Amino acid sequence: DVKVTQSSRYLVKRTGEKVFLECVQDMDHENMFWYRQDPGLGLRLIYFSYDVKMKEKGDIPEGYSVSREKKERFSLILESASTNQTSMYLCASSFFGQGNTGELFFGEGSRLTVL
Amino acid sequence: AQKITQTQPGMFVQEKEAVTLDCTYDTSDPSYGLFWYKQPSSGEMIFLIYQGSYDQQNATEGRYSLNFQKARKSANLVISASQLGDSAMYFCAMRGPDSNYQLIWGAGTKLIIKP
Repeated sequence: DVKVTQSSRYLVKRTGEKVFLECVQDMDHENMFWYRQDPGLGLRLIYFSYDVKMKEKGDIPEGYSVSREKKERFSLILESASTNQTSMYLCASSFFGQGNTGELFFGEGSRLTVL
Repeated sequence: AQKITQTQPGMFVQEKEAVTLDCTYDTSDPSYGLFWYKQPSSGEMIFLIYQGSYDQQNATEGRYSLNFQKARKSANLVISASQLGDSAMYFCAMRGPDSNYQLIWGAGTKLIIKP
């Protein structure tokens, strides 16, 4: 059974703390994504990666960084958490190629609260 | 620019009735793909159905079908014989040829099935 696993379902952090959100997929997918989800705004792309050590900014990269040292793992880093980063964070992976729809497979989400 | 619009923020439907969730899209690319995802209250995003822009027939997957009207740029999700477990957020998304790694997302529709 294919799987995307996010390290923490719920986190509570204080303003200014460094936060790591980890995501691991077991499908050998090239592409991995970090989204942020807020009510009424849908999903907004923070960063994505199409290969090891490669990363591209999405729509809202400010205040975030990412790391992809291994194909299966994509980490989201909040260098100095702020209250406006309180949100649900979703990790996803995909493979897009011949005869493939490119659908995204998602983790269960990490709900971050910054106090 | 590509855009997805879901005009129904919320819907109430009686159990066993059919449901149509609206999705319109905007793109100038001739090649694109349309996706529907379901997000229950538990948070995980579940892929439901996919329609390619060159597909001749409307996509179906069990109780889910996609009413694809290319000229009107609409891709409505139809759920037949709704069940209580269908209560969730539903998101429409689009992938274009120039964004092979990414999906553009609508804001979502919250569907509540009444017993």
